[in-house]
Amino acid sequence: GNSVTQMEGPVTLSEEAFLTINCTYTATGYPSLFWYVQYPGEGLQLLLKATKADDKGSNKGFEATYRKETTSFHLEKGSVQVSDSAVYFCALKPGNQFYFGTGTSLTVIP
Amino acid sequence: GAVVSQHPSRVICKSGTSVKIECRSLDFQATTMFWYRQFPKQSLMLMATSNEGSKATYEQGVEKDKFLINHASLTLSTLTVTSAHPEDSSFYICSAPGRGSMNTEAFFGQGTRLTVV
Repeated sequence: GNSVTQMEGPVTLSEEAFLTINCTYTATGYPSLFWYVQYPGEGLQLLLKATKADDKGSNKGFEATYRKETTSFHLEKGSVQVSDSAVYFCALKPGNQFYFGTGTSLTVIP
Repeated sequence: GAVVSQHPSRVICKSGTSVKIECRSLDFQATTMFWYRQFPKQSLMLMATSNEGSKATYEQGVEKDKFLINHASLTLSTLTVTSAHPEDSSFYICSAPGRGSMNTEAFFGQGTRLTVV
């Protein structure tokens, strides 16, 4: 079946710290992989995506590489800011339907 | 990019009443829309797939008579929570799949925070 396992939070970091949020998946076929971000009180926004193995998605300083051999899509950022505080969802899309992880809450303190 | 607008963003209703949530695709046509529910500190759970011109497809465990979905046009899908109870309080989000070069994406509405008192 299709599922996403995401690092549990909450995660609290100081400004300018390095961020990693782990995400692994199981899937049939060759899914596209996504990271969505949800800021407080808002809906989900696409942060980045990768559609095939070894692709690297990047946006706003965040990066994630589609690793088929380890079935992973870990999210990283070299230096987080207070404005990055949000909930991050890893997701896969093998067909038309999305499968989401449970979300990781990130709080960045000054 | 494509925009999906969801309304209202927040609603408080009394137990036993019904609430309608609208999801509109603003600059594209969506033959399919998805409705999700998000419990506190949990992920989005797909409730149903809304299909323009035909019946919605519900996920296992979702009550069709309680969560009425209508996809009357190519730009509008509605979710009506009927006879709402406090346990229906949740965050509801709709999404529409992208088309063409954006067919791997989904575009999400802003979500609706429903509180049943």
